[in-house]
Order: sequence, then structure tokens, then C-alpha cells
Amino acid sequence: EPEVTQTPSHQVTQMGQEVILRCVPISNHLYFYWYRQILGQKVEFLVSFYNNEISEKSEIFDDQFSVERPDGSNFTLKIRSTKLEDSAMYFCASSEGGRNSPLHFGNGTRLTVT
Amino acid sequence: SQQGEEDPQALSIQEGENATMNCSYKTSINNLQWYRQNSGRGLVHLILIRSNEREKHSGRLRVTLDTSKKSSSLLITASRAADTASYFCATPDSGNTPLVFGKGTRLSVIA
Repeated sequence: EPEVTQTPSHQVTQMGQEVILRCVPISNHLYFYWYRQILGQKVEFLVSFYNNEISEKSEIFDDQFSVERPDGSNFTLKIRSTKLEDSAMYFCASSEGGRNSPLHFGNGTRLTVT
Repeated sequence: SQQGEEDPQALSIQEGENATMNCSYKTSINNLQWYRQNSGRGLVHLILIRSNEREKHSGRLRVTLDTSKKSSSLLITASRAADTASYFCATPDSGNTPLVFGKGTRLSVIA
């Protein structure tokens, strides 16, 4: 069964550094998402992406964050200058349709900012 | 916000027993979804129930939806140790977020 893959599985970075989290969504899916989950807390929406542009974003997704689909397969999340509070699991997801379609999640990247 | 809230926060049962988890939400929806998350892993979609459906089955899973009470329940019958995970309900938000997740119910099934 096709799956969403994320790399790396764990990223450790120093505060102020830039990180890029990578995702390969399911190939025939059209909608892409990033969510994050701080340890022990709920899964929070960051951003959705459709037709090569951001379709929706949350308050968390400020100017420090950006997303890109640099080619036909990868979908990346960049954090320009990481803060300690950015430490979390970051999940990529994709879906065939919009908000009424099930999301298929990757296994996440654990980001640790020191 | 549509945010679903699961109840209870944690549930511990013996293998073979049934597990029931509840979800409440705030405003009108057109569907509600349940997801499962094993520790340290991504969420896995379990079932989607539309607002015009009252009950849906998938294997050992049974989901009900009561739009008048703005609530849903997930029943896992004949639970197994492998069902140990966190279970989340999620609803499409009327605002800017595609799916809003609740805090989840941590289910422990003891062999």
C-alpha cells in the first residue's frame, strides 16, 4: 500500500539554525499538509498546500515557516530560525481530496532544538 | 473551532473486553473521522462517518454519530493487546483548518 515517507526520522539542531523537513506524499494525492505534535499534547495543524500554493495556514505557521514542493514528489517544511519551542514531532500528510477526505500521515520527524 | 474532544483521556481494559471512546464537537459538521496513533508513529485513518450516517462498521470497529448531541463514539470489540494506542477524533473546521484533532484517548489493552 502506498505510504507517505518522511526524512529524517530525527533531527537535532541548535537554536537559531535553519532546518528542512522532507516528505514524499502519496503519488496521486493532490493535497498536502504539515501538522505538529508537541510531546504529550494534541496534533496541531500548521499548513495545507494545493495546486502549488498554500491553501490554508494556522497561527502557528508564522514567517519563520515556509513550505515548498520543489519537484513532482517532495514536499518540504522549512523553519528559518529554530526556537526551543519548535521542538516537536512534525507530521506530513496527504489526501486525494480536500477537507472531506481521509488524511494519510507519515511517521513523522522528531525535531529537537537545543 | 470545530475541535473534537475525546473522553475518557485514558482507558485501561483487559484483552477481550470492549473499549468505548467518545468524542464531542462544537458546531455543525459534514463528517467526523477517527484516527489511531501508536506511540511515536504517525496517525492512521480508521473510519469516516458522514453527517447523514448514524452508524458505521469496519471490522471490529463501530462508530456512531449523533448530530443532535454533537457527539460520536468509537467502539472496539473484542480488544487485543495490539489495539493499545491513542485514538483521536477529527472534524473539518469551518474556519481555516482542514482537520482539527482532539486530545485523544490513550487506550491500554492488557493481555
